[in-house]
Amino acid sequence: DIVMTQSPDSLAVSLGERATINCKSSQTVLYSPNNKNYLAWYQQKPGEPPKMLIYWASTRESGVPDRFSGSGSGTDFTLTISSLQAEDVAVYYCQQHYGTPRTFGQGTKVEIK
Amino acid sequence: QVQLQESGPGLVKPSQTLSLTCTVSGGSISRGSYYWSWIRQPAGKGLEWIGRIYTSGSTNYNPSLKSRVTISVDTSKNRFSLRLSSVTAADTAVYFCAREISSGFDYWGQGTLVTVSS
Repeated sequence: DIVMTQSPDSLAVSLGERATINCKSSQTVLYSPNNKNYLAWYQQKPGEPPKMLIYWASTRESGVPDRFSGSGSGTDFTLTISSLQAEDVAVYYCQQHYGTPRTFGQGTKVEIK
Repeated sequence: QVQLQESGPGLVKPSQTLSLTCTVSGGSISRGSYYWSWIRQPAGKGLEWIGRIYTSGSTNYNPSLKSRVTISVDTSKNRFSLRLSSVTAADTAVYFCAREISSGFDYWGQGTLVTVSS
């Protein structure tokens, strides 16, 4: 299995400040033939299902605010919220879809400081 | 707009079989290159992929659950199902169904809580 490890487990950020979440995979999720990273980011608010924010490691899903951005390649990835808003309070998960079983990071809880 | 809705018993006794159905609306389950997946989340914990089925009927399961899981599809009713046998309290979770495309899980059901208890 590809193990996904996120850091930190939680973080508190002031409104308008930057939030950075890291995700590391135990093996590469970069598929060389198409040069795509099979890595997605999701946001989950209480009582709701996860919502896809970012796919192919850095492509924003339609309708996702541009304060959300993804970066990284191979085994190391980052989700950045450039200016935290109150509605961004949630748990964020990275997920690899390079191999089966599909696996998720343990989640990072983002709160307002 | 594709919508997914889970349904099934909210309470299952230990050692019995958990059965859930996911009904898909807003599109045909048999059209397109999609996988239809089950994912679960124990209260306050992370997400665990259970397995998936392709429209052809081919399946992939999480090895940690493979011996107890069966996922099937009923294209005539536009739905797919999960059966998990020999359940224990550790199987208590919110169960989500989701559609998987090449870039990840793009549509999810709202989730249904299944409690394993006598």
